[in-house]
Amino acid sequence: DTGVSQNPRHKITKRGQNVTFRCDPISEHNRLYWYRQTLGQGPEFLTYFQNEAQLEKSRLLSDRFSAERPKGSFSTLEIQRTEQGDSAMYLCASSHWAGGPRNEQYFGPGTRLTVT
Amino acid sequence: AQTVTQSQPEMSVQEAETVTLSCTYDTSESDYYLFWYKQPPSRQMILVIRQEAYKQQNATENRFSVNFQKAAKSFSLKISDSQLGDAAMYFCVKANFGNEKLTFGTGTRLTIIP
Repeated sequence: DTGVSQNPRHKITKRGQNVTFRCDPISEHNRLYWYRQTLGQGPEFLTYFQNEAQLEKSRLLSDRFSAERPKGSFSTLEIQRTEQGDSAMYLCASSHWAGGPRNEQYFGPGTRLTVT
Repeated sequence: AQTVTQSQPEMSVQEAETVTLSCTYDTSESDYYLFWYKQPPSRQMILVIRQEAYKQQNATENRFSVNFQKAAKSFSLKISDSQLGDAAMYFCVKANFGNEKLTFGTGTRLTIIP
């Protein structure tokens, strides 16, 4: 098991461009989470999936953001018409949820987005 | 909105000494989970220790232990025999029962002095 992986690790883009990030969770994990971490702050929840279903979205996830997990495995997070305020580290986490309360989330290394 | 407060942006400790990181939180729930996660420089976030709110006994994991005061909504982390590898940003985190999403504090950057 190689853990949660994210690609790319770094992305520099110009304002107004679209970007897409990918997250590959731990293989047997059915839940996948996206968080955003700005400089000097703790991560903030964006959205999460159980299998392919998106169960919750934060109000931080504006209509320029869309996340998918089409086959219940990897997930993509797309940001359209990027703004400088989107510059942040985007973290992905996964967990195995079997109906009980113990549900540790394992984090990936993150994708650092810089919008110029 | 739920909040998690870490009032110590930075802490430092001499190697082999003990340090305590503070955390308070706000919640109206009776069932929840509390965690400490560490984020080493340029490395992934990893779980250090977990506490279930319904358990009165404080959690311990080797050199790491917590002081959970439910009525005071306080959750501090004690690191004993500090090692150089403990240097990291430490986040106090609260989770809903069922752990759908984590609410993070702003973090405490811990420096270990050799």
